[in-house]
Amino acid sequence: DGGITQSPKYLFRKEGQNVTLSCEQNLNHDAMYWYRQDPGQGLRLIYYSQIVNDFQKGDIAEGYSVSREKKESFPLTVTSAQKNPTAFYLCASSTGKPGGYTFGSGTRLTVV
Amino acid sequence: EDKVVQSPLSLVVHEGDTVTLNCSYEVTNFRSLLWYKQEKKAPTFLFMLTSSGIEKKSGRLSSILDKKELFSILNITATQTGDSAVYLCAVINNAGNMLTFGGGTRLMVKP
Repeated sequence: DGGITQSPKYLFRKEGQNVTLSCEQNLNHDAMYWYRQDPGQGLRLIYYSQIVNDFQKGDIAEGYSVSREKKESFPLTVTSAQKNPTAFYLCASSTGKPGGYTFGSGTRLTVV
Repeated sequence: EDKVVQSPLSLVVHEGDTVTLNCSYEVTNFRSLLWYKQEKKAPTFLFMLTSSGIEKKSGRLSSILDKKELFSILNITATQTGDSAVYLCAVINNAGNMLTFGGGTRLMVKP
């Protein structure tokens, strides 16, 4: 079955360490996105990529980095520059049509 | 900058009640508005609304869009405990296909 896989589901890191969250899709979608969700809040866009080898900053890109070397993969690195990294991170991909979004199951990152 | 505001922030009702969730937006070159239900993890798609005044319905859930007043409502009738979730509203503009989300409404349905 096609879908998006995010791993790991839960991640704990010490403050000051970089950490990379994985997102893989086998839907053949061109566009992929990373969102951050804090408790009781909606989703905020971190980075997005509409095509391989190209990506753009979203609303809250500071302290994050991404790469898009393959169509299937869009990993997100949370760097030590991100001041408040503890959050729920959702990856999504899209056909390009408004209703064509598919979300992963998310990674809950806790920095201690 | 596109903006989406949902109200109320949270809501507690009893089973059988009817609820109305609100979503207002400011979008340059509006294309569509989407509603999602989020329980523990990934949001699940409920409705996509593009045209004003046409109600979308799925079981006990329904939604309508008013493009003149720039808002949408999501109605849930005869609520059940399984309706407890965060309901997210999002908009897409014609410039691209990024979703801009509102802050969500947390609904709790008590038995």
